[in-house]
Parts: sequence; C-alpha cells; structure tokens
Amino acid sequence: AQRVTQPEKLLSVFKGAPVELKCNYSYSGSPELFWYVQYSRQRLQLLLRHISRESIKGFTADLNKGETSFHLKKPFAQEEDSAMYYCALTRAGGSRLTFGEGTQLTVNP
Amino acid sequence: GAGVSQSPSNKVTEKGKDVELRCDPISGHTALYWYRQSLGQGLEFLIYFQGNSAPDKSGLPSDRFSAERTGGSVSTLTIQRTQQEDSAVYLCASRVDRGEINSPLHFGNGTRLTVT
Repeated sequence: AQRVTQPEKLLSVFKGAPVELKCNYSYSGSPELFWYVQYSRQRLQLLLRHISRESIKGFTADLNKGETSFHLKKPFAQEEDSAMYYCALTRAGGSRLTFGEGTQLTVNP
Repeated sequence: GAGVSQSPSNKVTEKGKDVELRCDPISGHTALYWYRQSLGQGLEFLIYFQGNSAPDKSGLPSDRFSAERTGGSVSTLTIQRTQQEDSAVYLCASRVDRGEINSPLHFGNGTRLTVT
C-alpha cells in the first residue's frame, strides 16, 4: 500500500529563515514523489517533482530512498511562500496519486 | 486554454438529499480524478477515470457515492442520501496520460459541500 506522512500540520517561520517541510512515505516499489501547493484562494497546483530535479521558487526536494523521505527545503523563506503544502506519491507509471495530510506554512514578517 | 472547471462552487443541502457535482476537465486530458478535502484529513482519493472507465474506485467511502464519465470528458460525482460527514471540498483533477511518464494533475477550484 502507498502511504504519505507529513508529521507537521502547522509550521511557522520568520522571513529569511530556512524552512523544511517533512515528508515520509512507505511504498515497496519504485515511487515517484511530488510536492503540490495551495496558496490562499487559489487552486492546488504542482510545485515540483523529484524526477525533474529542479528548483522552483527557491524550493528543492531530494528523494532519499534509504530514509524514505522527500523533504521540501528552502534556504530563505519569503512571506509569499505562506500556503498549504502537500506531499504526494505514485508508483512509476502508475495512476493513483496518494497525498499526505498537508502542512500549513506561515512565514511571518 | 481553460483549466479544470467544477460546478457548483458551493452547495448547501439538507441531510438525506441527493447531490450531483460536475467536473469539466481540460480538453484532451484522458485521466480524471476525484478527491475529497476535509479539514485535518488532507486529500482523500475517491475515484480515477481513464477515458470513460473507472479502473480504480476503491476510495469511494460508501455505496451512497457514485461517479460516471461520458464522452471521455465531463464527469459527475453523485452522493445519495447525504450525511453531515459528507461535508467537505470535492476536488476534481485531470491530466494527460503519457503512459510511463506521470504528468502533473491539474486541479479545479472544487465544490464546497455543506450538509445541514
């Protein structure tokens, strides 16, 4: 079975501070991991995916198969990063995307 | 082009009534998903369509929930005899199915269902 765990429901940091949103998963096969973001009054949208190995809006995430983690990081948080972040998993070539419970990030001025 | 469109945006209904939620996916997107977003519950998978067929409907919480898709496009999620615990935001998403490459989901704005 696929399972995604985001241990922090709420995370608050100050502007300019580093931020890390934790994501752990359980899946026995070859997973594909994603981070989706929902800004206030906007629809849920893709932030980044591990196979692209890209940095979006200063965020990066590295898939650690040994620790089964896909933590989202940004060295210097900005107020506009305040949003709900969801980690999601699917199997390679699969169809069903399983989401975590989400982390509400607040970046204070 | 236009994104995923859902209607109505808000629905208030009395307990015991039936409701229908509609989703218009992005043109050309063969895969369509329904999720439920509840406070503190995250995003709960309900059902997935590939074309008009539903190879994975394992997330439907009870037999009061059903969904269909016609013409490989519009989908309707029906909830019969609504209960208060059905109150949530129902999200629809679609994506291009490229086989081994998992293209991203494009979400609609959702339908906020309130059962009184």
